[in-house]
Amino acid sequence: GDSVTQMEGPVTLSEEAFLTINCTYTATGYPSLFWYVQYPGEGLQLLLKATKADDKGSNKGFEATYRKETTSFHLEKGSVQVSDSAVYFCALSDLTGANSKLTFGKGITLSVRP
Amino acid sequence: NAGVMQNPRHLVRRRGQEARLRCSPMKGHSHVYWYRQLPEEGLKFMVYLQKENIIDESGMPKERFSAEFPKEGPSILRIQQVVRGDSAAYFCASSPPGAGLASEQYFGPGTRLTVT
Repeated sequence: GDSVTQMEGPVTLSEEAFLTINCTYTATGYPSLFWYVQYPGEGLQLLLKATKADDKGSNKGFEATYRKETTSFHLEKGSVQVSDSAVYFCALSDLTGANSKLTFGKGITLSVRP
Repeated sequence: NAGVMQNPRHLVRRRGQEARLRCSPMKGHSHVYWYRQLPEEGLKFMVYLQKENIIDESGMPKERFSAEFPKEGPSILRIQQVVRGDSAAYFCASSPPGAGLASEQYFGPGTRLTVT
């Protein structure tokens, strides 16, 4: 079945540092890929998405490129801020079926120090 | 436009009691998804419902768990005879009619269930 693997956390960075969070996936079809962010006490929010190979999703300074050859969707940001501290989830949806349910990775906690 | 609402936000039940979790989708949304997040785990799909229909319940445990989304009112996730292993965060998401892309799922803040 479909699965998503994220790098182990937590991750602690200083403000303005470069961020990379790794994500790889396994899917039988042609999935769409997503990054969701969860701030403390809140629900998940969609951060960015990519629906086909070589697409780059971007939002709020974050970027991720859909790499079919390496089955990866790594999240990057050039300069993190304290306000980026949150839990980040990589997810996929295999749209070949009638149900667009999401398959999530375990999530990784990012803490950014001033 | 209010977002997806879930209540209660926190729920404590003793073993053997029933837990009822409610989800009000965003206005105009007719698709509801329930996910469960166990400690140190990612979110796991449980069930997908449309108004008055269960579309996919492949992620639901076979016993004690049920879900409904009536014509009127919120979606309900019911857990009967709770056990400690049911302690988790339960998230609801909704999407509008005809949504073919999972990116249109909007999540609620979750209900944290603790079984003592």
